[in-house]
Amino acid sequence: KNQVEQSPQSLIILEGKNCTLQCNYTVSPFSNLRWYKQDTGRGPVSLTIMTFSENTKSNGRYTATLDADTKQSSLHITASQLSDSASYICVVSAMVSTGFQKLVFGTGTRLLVSP
Amino acid sequence: DGGITQSPKYLFRKEGQNVTLSCEQNLNHDAMYWYRQDPGQGLRLIYYSQIVNDFQKGDIAEGYSVSREKKESFPLTVTSAQKNPTAFYLCASKITSYNTGELFFGEGSRLTVL
Repeated sequence: KNQVEQSPQSLIILEGKNCTLQCNYTVSPFSNLRWYKQDTGRGPVSLTIMTFSENTKSNGRYTATLDADTKQSSLHITASQLSDSASYICVVSAMVSTGFQKLVFGTGTRLLVSP
Repeated sequence: DGGITQSPKYLFRKEGQNVTLSCEQNLNHDAMYWYRQDPGQGLRLIYYSQIVNDFQKGDIAEGYSVSREKKESFPLTVTSAQKNPTAFYLCASKITSYNTGELFFGEGSRLTVL
């Protein structure tokens, strides 16, 4: 069964600190993995995309890693800011028959950055 | 500015009433999607459309209906048959459903059944 599990469910950190969010997946056949940021009451916005051959991808203070062998990804946030308070969702894409991309969503990690 | 517009942002409905959520995109995308988001759960696919005049059921289509008469519009009707309709609804679009490109989301519509 295609599944995406994220940990922790929620996290509180002090402003300026770093944190790492985890994503484990059992999606097959794997196509790509995206991290989305969702502010409360808003739609998700893409942060990074990683394909099978990529190990690391950065977007400003956000760095995503992918280990395709262990089917794990992480999102590292450096020097956190209050605006980083949001839910972070891991989305894995599976290429099913005829190339159709099926998206499997994790339940998200809710991050609160405290002043 | 290109993007996806959902309306209304907030909607209250009495039990037994049908409601329609609007979704319009000006990104020239072929594929459009409706998701439902509940606390503690991942986004669940309700319906999707790969092209005009075509749509397919997702994982939780019961109690919902859609239409795709124009490329830019994909309205969702929540019918009285939907047993637990209170949720946050997200509309999204992609260039095509076969493309690995980004899925763009609207700002969401929050439906509350009184």
